[in-house]
Amino acid sequence: DTGVSQDPRHKITKRGQNVTFRCDPISEHNRLYWYRQTLGQGPEFLTYFQNEAQLEKSRLLSDRFSAERPKGSFSTLEIQRTEQGDSAMYLCASSLYRGRGTGELFFGEGSRLTVL
Amino acid sequence: AQKITQTQPGMFVQEKEAVTLDCTYDTSDPSYGLFWYKQPSSGEMIFLIYQGSYDEQNATEGRYSLNFQKARKSANLVISASQLGDSAMYFCAMRLLSNFGNEKLTFGTGTRLTIIP
Repeated sequence: DTGVSQDPRHKITKRGQNVTFRCDPISEHNRLYWYRQTLGQGPEFLTYFQNEAQLEKSRLLSDRFSAERPKGSFSTLEIQRTEQGDSAMYLCASSLYRGRGTGELFFGEGSRLTVL
Repeated sequence: AQKITQTQPGMFVQEKEAVTLDCTYDTSDPSYGLFWYKQPSSGEMIFLIYQGSYDEQNATEGRYSLNFQKARKSANLVISASQLGDSAMYFCAMRLLSNFGNEKLTFGTGTRLTIIP
């Protein structure tokens, strides 16, 4: 399978625990995005990388959230001291950016987090 | 700031009929792109169709067409000859096409489409 893959697909955790999600983008894609989708809402932008550089973070990304893309390939999103409000689907997307408005985003199937 | 509005939380349509999903947008930037995505129960966002703000013709992709009315700031998705497999959530989204901006998408709240056999 050569699409965007995310792991784990589902995670149930207790409040206060740390969780980490992994995203493997399409191999030649230089940009990687994280979105959060809560029930009944559209996805909301969290952060994105171009290669290994994190270029923008949303105000939604509190200091309990950290994202990395250490070698410009896969990325991790860690949530520390989880809260019930963190329960959501975390979507990863990747694109091949070659200039203005040229990159189509390809999404993974998401990682669903439930915080008890 | 950009905003996408989808006013139809849910729609039921008979199989083989055409359906129009509404989308209005708000931005002061003259250069933008409009997208429609389909999200089945598996969770993956599937790209359907794209319309650039400077495109003079409405975009079409197979059974999907985008009814772009720039003056009214609307970008409705039309699905012709609906099929049972079209049942899913549909999201309208927008991206600004600035030179150094990222490609982040602003999504609407979605419309749940159910096709009735």
